[in-house]
Amino acid sequence: DADVTQTPRNRITKTGKRIMLECSQTKGHDRMYWYRQDPGLGLRLIYYSFDVKDINKGEISDGYSVSRQAQAKFSLSLESAIPNQTALYFCATSGAAAGSYNEQFFGPGTRLTVL
Amino acid sequence: GIQVEQSPPDLILQEGANSTLRCNFSDSVNNLQWFHQNPWGQLINLFYIPSGTKQNGRLSATTVATERYSLLYISSSQTTDSGVYFCAVERNNDMRFGAGTRLTVKP
Repeated sequence: DADVTQTPRNRITKTGKRIMLECSQTKGHDRMYWYRQDPGLGLRLIYYSFDVKDINKGEISDGYSVSRQAQAKFSLSLESAIPNQTALYFCATSGAAAGSYNEQFFGPGTRLTVL
Repeated sequence: GIQVEQSPPDLILQEGANSTLRCNFSDSVNNLQWFHQNPWGQLINLFYIPSGTKQNGRLSATTVATERYSLLYISSSQTTDSGVYFCAVERNNDMRFGAGTRLTVKP
């Protein structure tokens, strides 16, 4: 089984709808991250969380919110989706168990299309 | 934030050839990783290499932190090496990716 899972894997929605993307991990890591990738570009950090009570904005947090429901779960919400949020979204984790807090491990991605 | 530049942006190789991919960054960093994104979009960790040299099979990487660059070497390339290679650097919990090098290995 995959260590970092994301649901859904694909989603098509309409402008103005609320969308939630979910991430779960079994790696025992305490740090979790959300990124988006636009075509032909690298990933950009949206939000990150170092533990259940810690939430931090990344490079491009506007239009997004997150919730860290448990150490193993980190969800990303788009309160009112817009077409330029169409992208590939990745969840990542890191933790002391990996040998270094800053080596990140990525989920398979969620492809979101906003019409 | 830190600027990360990768070169070349595109690279086409014949199977069996060797290649070097470069990552330059604009400031000192705490950490650096190399990833391979396969044609299905999956991101695969290649190296966690804030400094020094590491090797894993046909791949090796070197980071010279004082000169703000890292190199990824691919030897005896195979068609399965095709995809996009990303360098990502982290400074003060801010992770930044380069735009990637798209590698195509032809049989």
